[in-house]
Amino acid sequence: DIQMTQSPSTLSASVGDRVTITCRASHNVYSWLAWYQHKPGKAPKVLVQQASSLGSGVPSRFGGSGYGTEFSLTINSLQPDDFATYYCQQYSDYPWTFGQGTKVEVK
Amino acid sequence: EVHLLESGGDLVQPGGSLRLSCTASGFPFSTYAMGWVRQAPGKGLEWVSVVGSTGIDTHYGDSAKGRFTISRDNSKNTLYLQLNSLRAEDTAVYFCASRIPYFGFENWGQGTMVTVSS
Repeated sequence: DIQMTQSPSTLSASVGDRVTITCRASHNVYSWLAWYQHKPGKAPKVLVQQASSLGSGVPSRFGGSGYGTEFSLTINSLQPDDFATYYCQQYSDYPWTFGQGTKVEVK
Repeated sequence: EVHLLESGGDLVQPGGSLRLSCTASGFPFSTYAMGWVRQAPGKGLEWVSVVGSTGIDTHYGDSAKGRFTISRDNSKNTLYLQLNSLRAEDTAVYFCASRIPYFGFENWGQGTMVTVSS
């Protein structure tokens, strides 16, 4: 199975900050990587598909990059609505796997 | 508007069975692959299973293999997950989600809670 490792596990930030979350795959997943935002009691929301394609309706302050085994999600000018947990997920090979999550909390 | 509504979650004893359903609307269900993801209390997201648009092609995560069965009824716009031989560690919120080729999961439901306890 492909292991996905996110860092950091928790990130403390303030509104207006630029934050970056990284995701490392144990094997090459090419560009077959998605990023999701999840808030308690809510449905997860897709932010980025194919490593760098922004999902429909996703604000432009979100951006994804990377290829192969190293990926990142950047949020420019963090907004109050962005405090949540973020997950990367590879869909290159079955079983699909998620990273363990990065919680972005208020500093 | 895309809408996915899960149902069927319940309290069940260890070793028991349960069938989850996910009713879809707002998109051409029969042309989309569909899947299940779960989240145990205090834990992260875990991929469970996916089924192709026709229902023939299925894949499972390690924790689901041999115990869970994914299926779909395109005439009813409904996705299913049969859970057998349930264990305490299967306690989780189960989400259904849709996907299109070359993408991960695009739209998600709100989830249904499964509790396995005696």
